[in-house]
Amino acid sequence: AQSVTQLGSHVSVSEGALVLLRCNYSSSVPPYLFWYVQYPNQGLQLLLKYTSAATLVKGINGFEAEFKKSETSFHLTKPSAHMSDAAEYFCAVRPNQGAQKLVFGQGTRLTINP
Amino acid sequence: NAGVMQNPRHLVRRRGQEARLRCSPMKGHSHVYWYRQLPEEGLKFMVYLQKENIIDESGMPKERFSAEFPKEGPSILRIQQVVRGDSAAYFCASSPATNEKLFFGSGTQLSVL
Repeated sequence: AQSVTQLGSHVSVSEGALVLLRCNYSSSVPPYLFWYVQYPNQGLQLLLKYTSAATLVKGINGFEAEFKKSETSFHLTKPSAHMSDAAEYFCAVRPNQGAQKLVFGQGTRLTINP
Repeated sequence: NAGVMQNPRHLVRRRGQEARLRCSPMKGHSHVYWYRQLPEEGLKFMVYLQKENIIDESGMPKERFSAEFPKEGPSILRIQQVVRGDSAAYFCASSPATNEKLFFGSGTQLSVL
């Protein structure tokens, strides 16, 4: 069975500081991995996805994530936080074959301090 | 091109009543997924439908819950005889094909009194 663990339900950083949101996964087959962002009162938006091509994946809004098989991790980073990055972030995994039956982590709420 | 539309945005029901949640996928999308988000938890897969067919309902509770995606009209998630534990945000997502990107709606927040 696949699972996702996001370390830290709340992360707070200063504007301009590095953002690091942690995600570890377990999967018995090579996975597809995703990061989604949820702004208040909105649905989830795809930030980026890993599909077994390049291990460093660049997404929208300056975010990127690195797939590390040895660590079973897919941490999300952004060099310089902006106030508009304040949102809930979800890591998700699914098999690389088959339908979009995603398994989500519990989410990390990112707060940006001015 | 409108996104995935869910309504109502908020739904309040008393215990024992029925809840009907609607989802209109993006234009041209024939695949619909329902997810449930309980407080302080991530989204949990419930059911995957294509037009007139339930493809995977492994995440649906065995009783009181049902889903449909008719040939015409929106997908409906129906919860009969609601209980307080059904209170959650229910999200619908659609895609044009099996392995294509998912587009999520803004969700329906169900509150059971």
